[in-house]
Amino acid sequence: KNQVEQSPQSLIILEGKNCTLQCNYTVSPFSNLRWYKQDTGRGPVSLTIMTFSENTKSNGRYTATLDADTKQSSLHITASQLSDSASYICVVGDSGGGADGLTFGKGTHLIIQP
Amino acid sequence: NAGVTQTPKFQVLKTGQSMTLQCAQDMNHEYMSWYRQDPGMGLRLIHYSVGAGITDQGEVPNGYNVSRSTTEDFPLRLLSAAPSQTSVYFCASSYSRTPTRGGYTFGSGTRLTVV
Repeated sequence: KNQVEQSPQSLIILEGKNCTLQCNYTVSPFSNLRWYKQDTGRGPVSLTIMTFSENTKSNGRYTATLDADTKQSSLHITASQLSDSASYICVVGDSGGGADGLTFGKGTHLIIQP
Repeated sequence: NAGVTQTPKFQVLKTGQSMTLQCAQDMNHEYMSWYRQDPGMGLRLIHYSVGAGITDQGEVPNGYNVSRSTTEDFPLRLLSAAPSQTSVYFCASSYSRTPTRGGYTFGSGTRLTVV
């Protein structure tokens, strides 16, 4: 069964600091990996999407990396801001053709303190 | 503003009642889907549609029905609400089932409580 594991479950850091969120997956056949940001009470919003051939993708202060060999991804947030407080969800797509072909992680809950 | 609109935002139902969660998008997306999000779990796919007139089941379809009569609308019907259906429901849309650019556009969610 396809699985996506995210760590840590929750994280508290001070404003201005950097942080890295982890995503390990066992999804086959792998197609793509996406990171979403979900603010409290809102729907997820796409941050980055990477295919097998891409190992890094940036979106402003967010940088995602992908190691398809070890089946790991990370999301690095630089110079955190209060508005970065949210849940960050790793989503891995497969090319097997079933349903939406997506496996969602449970998310990392990030809190930025002033 | 373009996007996915879900209504209502909040709903309380009694066990056994039925209701319809509405979802509309104005981006001419072919693909639409419904998810539920429960504490401590990732989003789980309920039903999806790859175009008008075409729907299919996802991971957790029991107790829910969908239809897709137009490209814009994809309502989710709860046939006989049960406490286990207490959840936050998200509708999503995309130009493709497996988009290679961007991602899914999600609505802001419907928080449903069944008592």
